[in-house]
Amino acid sequence: GDSVTQMEGPVTLSEEAFLTINCTYTATGYPSLFWYVQYPGEGLQLLLKATKADDKGSNKGFEATYRKETTSFHLEKGSVQVSDSAVYFCALSSNTGNQFYFGTGTSLTVIP
Amino acid sequence: EAQVTQNPRYLITVTGKKLTVTCSQNMNHEYMSWYRQDPGLGLRQIYYSMNVEVTDKGDVPEGYKVSRKEKRNFPLILESPSPNQTSLYFCASSLGGGVVYEQYFGPGTRLTVT
Repeated sequence: GDSVTQMEGPVTLSEEAFLTINCTYTATGYPSLFWYVQYPGEGLQLLLKATKADDKGSNKGFEATYRKETTSFHLEKGSVQVSDSAVYFCALSSNTGNQFYFGTGTSLTVIP
Repeated sequence: EAQVTQNPRYLITVTGKKLTVTCSQNMNHEYMSWYRQDPGLGLRQIYYSMNVEVTDKGDVPEGYKVSRKEKRNFPLILESPSPNQTSLYFCASSLGGGVVYEQYFGPGTRLTVT
């Protein structure tokens, strides 16, 4: 069945460091891919998405490119801030768009 | 304010005592869904609903029931809770199925079953 695998955390970075969180997926057909962010004590918020191969999603300095050949959707940011500290989830929606599959989440802490 | 609300936010109960967690959205969304979040497992989909009176199982539906009698409400029912249902539960909604549309999440309900 469909699934998402993302890199284990926690990740600790200094402010202004480069961030990469790896995400790979297994799915039939052509899923849509998402990154969600969860701040402490809150629900998840959509960070970015890509709905077809080679699409690049971007928001708030974060980027991820839908790579069908490597079944990946890695999250990157060139210069992280303390306010980026959160848990990041990679997710996919099934071919029908009805079901969602999430990765296990990667906790990021950015220190000044 | 556009939002998804859940009640209660925290609940401690005993094995076998039926409970309902309510979920309501004010965005006129067609699609609603329930997830549970467990350490090391991420979020797993329990049930989803494409529209009123249309519900279907997600990845982990065992031990749960849902209903969608009105567009705005999607309650999660645990008829006979067990300790393995101790978890953090999230309700979410979106305009339609997830291929294109963003999901909006509620603040979560932390359930403990003793």
